[in-house]
Amino acid sequence: EAGVAQSPRYKIIEKRQSVAFWCNPISGHATLYWYQQILGQGPKLLIQFQNNGVVDDSQLPKDRFSAERLKGVDSTLKIQPAKLEDSAVYLCASSPLPGANEKLFFGSGTQLSVL
Amino acid sequence: QKEVEQNSGPLSVPEGAIASLNCTYSDRGSQSFFWYRQYSGKSPELIMFIYSNGDKEDGRFTAQLNKASQYVSLLIRDSQPSDSATYLCAVDPAGGTSYGKLTFGQGTILTVHP
Repeated sequence: EAGVAQSPRYKIIEKRQSVAFWCNPISGHATLYWYQQILGQGPKLLIQFQNNGVVDDSQLPKDRFSAERLKGVDSTLKIQPAKLEDSAVYLCASSPLPGANEKLFFGSGTQLSVL
Repeated sequence: QKEVEQNSGPLSVPEGAIASLNCTYSDRGSQSFFWYRQYSGKSPELIMFIYSNGDKEDGRFTAQLNKASQYVSLLIRDSQPSDSATYLCAVDPAGGTSYGKLTFGQGTILTVHP
């Protein structure tokens, strides 16, 4: 079974530039999450999708972050414009159903450095 | 007060010893609890989950839950150098109503030295 795919693996940009991350969840997983993990901290949920609908985006900085999952499969997270404090690893995770956390799997993440 | 708090590290234990990792949570209604292991530069991987008070054992790992004290712990017996990693405690804050959203602690770095 293929895992959660993310790209790119690394990204370096200057502040005020824009950046986009891509995620393809495990086949058949209806629930998709984007987490932000700042160095030395635990992951923090940014947004949760159920199929192509947003379930929770309460911690997403909507003035600069946006995410979509148009066809209920892969997803894109965008930052525009980036700030220094956005430097982090962006993790995508998926599970078959909301609440099925014992079947939650993470992708390898995208490490973003904002200079 | 942080929602999920882990004992401050780093924790260093000798090979073969028991490593004890602790976590407290603030939401008394929390129903499910998870321990993830994260190697440096890698993504978190689930190693244990527990829903009921008491102990749950899986190989060298034991998770312990005390809902009255809002406390969950992970014991690693016969620690190996390969266990050296950051251990993340995660909580489903509101049970079935939270749509599976996990809140993570800040992690505890464990080093097992030969």
